[in-house]
Formats: sequence, structure tokens, C-alpha cells
Amino acid sequence: SQKIEQNSEALNIQEGKTATLTCNYTNYSPAYLQWYRQDPGRGPVFLLLIRENEKEKRKERLKVTFDTTLKQSLFHITASQPADSATYLCALPSVGSQGNLIFGKGTKLSVKP
Amino acid sequence: DTAVSQTPKYLVTQMGNDKSIKCEQNLGHDTMYWYKQDSKKFLKIMFSYNNKELIINETVPNRFSPKSPDKAHLNLHINSLELGDSAVYFCASSQDWLQETQYFGPGTRLLVL
Repeated sequence: SQKIEQNSEALNIQEGKTATLTCNYTNYSPAYLQWYRQDPGRGPVFLLLIRENEKEKRKERLKVTFDTTLKQSLFHITASQPADSATYLCALPSVGSQGNLIFGKGTKLSVKP
Repeated sequence: DTAVSQTPKYLVTQMGNDKSIKCEQNLGHDTMYWYKQDSKKFLKIMFSYNNKELIINETVPNRFSPKSPDKAHLNLHINSLELGDSAVYFCASSQDWLQETQYFGPGTRLLVL
């Protein structure tokens, strides 16, 4: 069955540095991959989607890469700020039903001033 | 304007009771979902509805019964509540079944005593 792993449960970095979060998957070749942000007590918020034929995608200080050979996506936040502190979830379409998403457990990012 | 709203925000109840959670989206979307996020923060799909029709039931106990009176609403009724039902329940919507991006509600925190 398909598996998604976000290797780090928590990541602590200093303000101004680049945060890099990892999402690995197995037993699957997804057509796309998404990243969401979740703040405490709130629902996930969509950030970026990258398709299998795209190597990299950017949005402001965010950058996502998608390596279908390694079965891995990297999520980067450059010039990180304390306001970037949140849990970041990666999500893939379900094997059995393309309209459904399977989420990773998330990485909790803390950016210290 | 709230895109996806849920009521109530908090729900504390006794084991064995029956309760309902309501969800409404004003985005004009065709597809709605229910997710459960447990204490370990793992977000898991429960149901998907497209145009008021059930698409996916991800092996959820039949004590959980979703109902969609119209495209903008997807309610979740839970019978005979158990301790293990304690979690945060999120409603989400997407434009249609094939649209990848999902928009989440704020969540309903259910505590079963």
C-alpha cells in the first residue's frame, strides 16, 4: 500500500535561515504532490501543488521540488520568519481514488527570532 | 467571508450519546469531504461526497453517517459515541472530484468522556 513519510516530526531553525522539509513516498507514482500548512487549532491551508512533470515550483519565499526517481519532495522556506512557524503537511492523491488525498503526519517547524 | 464553516467548534459529550457536526461551504464547490485528525495529528479521510452522492467511505464504522442535503452542506452524524471517537473532525471541499486543491474548515474538537 502507498506510504507517505515526513521524516522529521519537528524542525527548529533560526530566523533568516532556509527551512527544508522532506516528504518521501513509496509504492506509488503520483501525478502530483501538494503541501499544506496547519496552524494550531486551525484547518490545513493549501500552499503549493507540483505535478510529476515539474521539477520545481516557487511561490514567493516557498520552493517545492519533486524527484520522481527518488520518490521525494523537498519543501523550502527561504529567509524564514517566526510567522512561518506551523506544521507542514505533504499530501498525495490516493491510489484507489484519485479525488482523495493521503496526508503525511506533518513536520512542525519552529522559527526562533 | 468564511469559505468552509463547521459547527460546533467544540463538542464534549458522554459515551453512548448521538451527536451531529454540520459543515457548509460557500465556494460553489461540488465535492465535500470529512477527515478525522487524531491525537497524533494524523489526518485521515473518512468520506467523500460529489454532488450530494457518496463517493468514498474509507472503512469508517457504520456508526458514522454522513448526509448531504445539498451541494453546499455535508453533515456528519455519529451514533453511540465511543472514547476512541475523540478527535478533531475537519470538513473540506474542492471544486469538483478531479480538482486537486482542497479547502478545509476550522475543525470540530470532539471529546467523548
